[in-house]
Amino acid sequence: KNEVEQSPQNLTAQEGEFITINCSYSVGISALHWLQQHPGGGIVSLFMLSSGKKKHGRLIATINIQEKHSSLHITASHPRDSAVYICAVRANSGGSNYKLTFGKGTLLTVNP
Amino acid sequence: DTGVSQDPRHKITKRGQNVTFRCDPISEHNRLYWYRQTLGQGPEFLTYFQNEAQLEKSRLLSDRFSAERPKGSFSTLEIQRTEQGDSAMYLCASGRGGPGELFFGEGSRLTVL
Repeated sequence: KNEVEQSPQNLTAQEGEFITINCSYSVGISALHWLQQHPGGGIVSLFMLSSGKKKHGRLIATINIQEKHSSLHITASHPRDSAVYICAVRANSGGSNYKLTFGKGTLLTVNP
Repeated sequence: DTGVSQDPRHKITKRGQNVTFRCDPISEHNRLYWYRQTLGQGPEFLTYFQNEAQLEKSRLLSDRFSAERPKGSFSTLEIQRTEQGDSAMYLCASGRGGPGELFFGEGSRLTVL
């Protein structure tokens, strides 16, 4: 079982829909990252959070440390939001608290 | 542009050849990471530098892989005697100070024929 699990793997939505992508992890963490990857490879960091909730424009990220779960929400989705969204965690134990462990990503397609 | 830059963006090589990728991190970022990503998978950790010191190297890396970061600035990742299984996107990321936000480059895509 992967340390970081994302769901769904693929998501297709109509423009304007509210979107939720989920991330569950199995280790204790010091931080969780949400990242966006467009075709061609470039990765952009969207959020880094260790508790509560963060909002940036139409994007909202929440985390529940006790349940080891995080969600990424996109309000009023737009075709330009189409990308792979990746959850990554930084473990808080051992000597590996400097590196990220990634989920496999969620491919989001928003149709006009 | 002051982001993380990687070169080349795409490399096609024949099996058995050596390839080298370069990463220029954001200036003053002391942390530098190399990750590998294959199709449909999330990035996998390869190695980590803090300044010029290579602090960890993943067991995913065979002896054919070597990474350097002389002077704690740019880094190179060399793959010797490439194999078809080495075909992947090689991503570089940098960060400043303690654990915090990472900034990724556009990646270097390797195709081994």
